[in-house]
Amino acid sequence: DQQVKQNSPSLSVQEGRISILNCDYTNSMFDYFLWYKKYPAEGPTFLISISSIKDKNEDGRFTVFLNKSAKHLSLHIVPSQPGDSAVYFCAASGSGGGADGLTFGKGTHLIIQP
Amino acid sequence: NAGVMQNPRHLVRRRGQEARLRCSPMKGHSHVYWYRQLPEEGLKFMVYLQKENIIDESGMPKERFSAEFPKEGPSILRIQQVVRGDSAAYFCASSPLGGSSYEQYFGPGTRLTVT
Repeated sequence: DQQVKQNSPSLSVQEGRISILNCDYTNSMFDYFLWYKKYPAEGPTFLISISSIKDKNEDGRFTVFLNKSAKHLSLHIVPSQPGDSAVYFCAASGSGGGADGLTFGKGTHLIIQP
Repeated sequence: NAGVMQNPRHLVRRRGQEARLRCSPMKGHSHVYWYRQLPEEGLKFMVYLQKENIIDESGMPKERFSAEFPKEGPSILRIQQVVRGDSAAYFCASSPLGGSSYEQYFGPGTRLTVT
């Protein structure tokens, strides 16, 4: 039973446009959410996170939005750049203290086209 | 400041052999996590350790798998009598002790192939 779902296996976006990656979760005990970026043959790299007490967090070109009532979060990348082409994983944590394993989605492969 | 180190990067074992995967956390981090990624899947949590303590092993298979994080040296994930289904990428992550940071920082992974 998948508790974190990324329903789009892949997404293609033109360079300079906005990329929007979506993530849904089912476990209402999750209270912290993270996005990771992963290149082939490398480990995931932390991008941005959001606590459940917030509905938006912004860091440069990356913004994460959280809709708790819908159990949905999204990552916006604007403007999209060729180096953003990678697999993006949504992850969630439930203990409130970061002291537990993360639950990951299956990832969305973002392709930025020139 | 070195990141999370894992070795070996690639490991090939025959069925029935033992696999030992090592992880050195980032400097100043004392929380270590192990994850496994099967092809076309997301990462699955296996175990969470602090120095000399297993905190949560709810994601570990009941048999053949064990993990430790000794007072000195790296964390070790040990798989005994490997089978083909153990072929996967194994990632280690670390996070700081007592910090408000929830983020886990990942190593490059060990790709285990069982022949």
